[in-house]
Amino acid sequence: GAGVSQSPSNKVTEKGKDVELRCDPISGHTALYWYRQRLGQGLEFLIYFQGNSAPDKSGLPSDRFSAERTGESVSTLTIQRTQQEDSAVYLCASSFRVAGTYEQYFGPGTRLTVT
Amino acid sequence: AQSVTQLGSHVSVSEGALVLLRCNYSSSVPPYLFWYVQYPNQGLQLLLKYTTGATLVKGINGFEAEFKKSETSFHLTKPSAHMSDAAEYFCAVSPLGNTGFQKLVFGTGTRLLVSP
Repeated sequence: GAGVSQSPSNKVTEKGKDVELRCDPISGHTALYWYRQRLGQGLEFLIYFQGNSAPDKSGLPSDRFSAERTGESVSTLTIQRTQQEDSAVYLCASSFRVAGTYEQYFGPGTRLTVT
Repeated sequence: AQSVTQLGSHVSVSEGALVLLRCNYSSSVPPYLFWYVQYPNQGLQLLLKYTTGATLVKGINGFEAEFKKSETSFHLTKPSAHMSDAAEYFCAVSPLGNTGFQKLVFGTGTRLLVSP
């Protein structure tokens, strides 16, 4: 039973470059979330996908951030023209409905460092 | 709007001592409440959750938490700390409802240090 996987585990990029982060959710999980975890801070919600519904993008910090998901499978988070403040761990989670609530299962994250 | 406050960015205990990690929340509607644990270089793992019903919730690894509405608290406890409990712990809240979308709002985390 594979869990949520993310790649790469670490990414170092130069300021101004674009990056793509990948998330493979648990098979059968209909919902997928992206969070950002800055050093010493809690997790910030970025975006949420549920099946074929329009994604909730309310947490994306700027138009440099975008994400896609194909059906109920892989998702890609793209950050264009990276800035140093984008340095963080980006966590992906997927979930399914259990007893009236959705339990989120998290991947190990991608540590992004912008130099 | 919902928010979560975790008192103490670091908590140190000795092995075998009581663990108490504090979480207070604010929510305009009855919340779901969660505790997650994050081990180094790993993703978050659900420890326990409160939705409805019994206010004392038991989770994995001997942890439990009690929902106290009057105090808007959901503190995490464990009677006897083990070295393997050293990790970062996050409290989270989401609105009770049937939307299906659990947009979690997280606290800033508490790092638990366990000494021999």
